[in-house]
Amino acid sequence: DSGVTQTPKHLITATGQRVTLRCSPRSGDLSVYWYQQSLDQGLQFLIQYYNGEERAKGNILERFSAQQFPDLHSELNLSSLELGDSALYFCASSVALGFSHTIYFGEGSWLTVV
Amino acid sequence: DQQVKQNSPSLSVQEGRISILNCDYTNSMFDYFLWYKKYPAEGPTFLISISSIKDKNEDGRFTVFLNKSAKHLSLHIVPSQPGDSAVYFCAASDTGNQFYFGTGTSLTVIP
Repeated sequence: DSGVTQTPKHLITATGQRVTLRCSPRSGDLSVYWYQQSLDQGLQFLIQYYNGEERAKGNILERFSAQQFPDLHSELNLSSLELGDSALYFCASSVALGFSHTIYFGEGSWLTVV
Repeated sequence: DQQVKQNSPSLSVQEGRISILNCDYTNSMFDYFLWYKKYPAEGPTFLISISSIKDKNEDGRFTVFLNKSAKHLSLHIVPSQPGDSAVYFCAASDTGNQFYFGTGTSLTVIP
C-alpha cells in the first residue's frame, strides 16, 4: 500500500459526459501528479500540483483540468469525454519538489468511455 | 517526443538467471533516475533509484547501473524469480518537477 488513495477504482461513462477522479496523497506529501496510461502506452504525464499550485503541465488536453485543494487532495476533471479517453489514470504524490525524491503511485482509476 | 525510451517491449528469462532491463534517455539534464514495477491492474511500485552522481546502486537482488556518457541505464535482477514477472518502467527527472517515463518492458520469468 503506497498510501496514495484514488477513487473511484472503476468508472464507465458515455461519450460527451464529464467525470471527476479523486486523489488523496500520502500523509505529508505536498506534491501531486496525474498520469494517463492508455492500452499499450507508457505513463503519460498530465499535470503536477505542489501545495495547491500548478507546477508543471504535460500532455493534458484542454477538456481536462485539475486542481489541488487546501487539504492537499486533488481532483482531475475530464469533460466532453471521447472513446479515446478510456484509460487508466494514476495519481502519484511526493514530499516536495527538488532533487532526488521518489513519487509514489495510487492504484489508479479505470475509466471506460462507451 | 519520448525523452525516455525502453526499446524492448518484452523480455523472457529463466528462473534463477539474470534479467537485464535497459533504458535510454535523451535529455542530458536528467539527474535522477528511478525504476518502477507494475502488476496488472495495480499502480506502479517504486523499486530503486540512482542519482547522476553515482554509477551504481544496489538493493538486494536489484542493481541499477547508470552510464551518463551513453545516456543509458539498466536494471539487473539477480537471481530472477517468477514473482518478478511484471512490467518495469524506468523514469527520469531533471528538477524533480516532472518525471518522464518509458513505455515499459514486460518481464516474464519462466519457472
